[in-house]
Amino acid sequence: DIQMTQSPSDVSASVGDRVTITCRASQDVNRWLAWYQQKPGKAPMLLIYGASSLRSGVPSRFSGSGSGTDFTLTINSLQPEDFATYYCQQANSFPHTFGPGTKVDL
Amino acid sequence: QMVESGGGLAQPGGSLRLSCAVSGFTFTSHAMNWVRLAPGQGLEWVSAISGSGETTFYADSVEGRFTISRDNSENTLFLQMNSLRAEDSAVYYCARGPLKDYYYYMDVWGRGTTVTVAS
Repeated sequence: DIQMTQSPSDVSASVGDRVTITCRASQDVNRWLAWYQQKPGKAPMLLIYGASSLRSGVPSRFSGSGSGTDFTLTINSLQPEDFATYYCQQANSFPHTFGPGTKVDL
Repeated sequence: QMVESGGGLAQPGGSLRLSCAVSGFTFTSHAMNWVRLAPGQGLEWVSAISGSGETTFYADSVEGRFTISRDNSENTLFLQMNSLRAEDSAVYYCARGPLKDYYYYMDVWGRGTTVTVAS
């Protein structure tokens, strides 16, 4: 199985900050990498797919990059509604493993 | 819209059957998934099924105990959970894949149903 790691596990930030989250796969997943946002008590929400494709309706301050084993989610100019936990997930091979999550808090 | 049901309290070793009723899109055109969030843990992908229902995939942690299925005539996804363990306690979400035989992301999610396994 492909193992996913994320760093940092927690990040304290302020409104207006730029936040970068890193995701690493234990083996090559090409660009089959998605990013999800989850807020407490809510369902996850897809942000990015194919490593860098922004899902329709997601604000452009979110961006993704990377391929192979190393990926990045960047949030430019953090907004109050962005405080949440972010997960990467590889979809290159089953089981489609998630990273452990990165909590972005104030 | 996707609405999960069937969660509740089960004893260790017991069974539960989760359902996910789908509306608003062509059910057969999409693969479907189950994903769970255990208390204090991160998201865990559990299982996936193709649009036809012919192909299924499972996480190692549930292989042999859980069975995913779908009734395309009723637009409903199921997860039969047997031999339940305390570590299966979680909120279970159904989530839609992009196409019937593609699983590259999950773009529509239900609100979840809570499963608690305890004696």
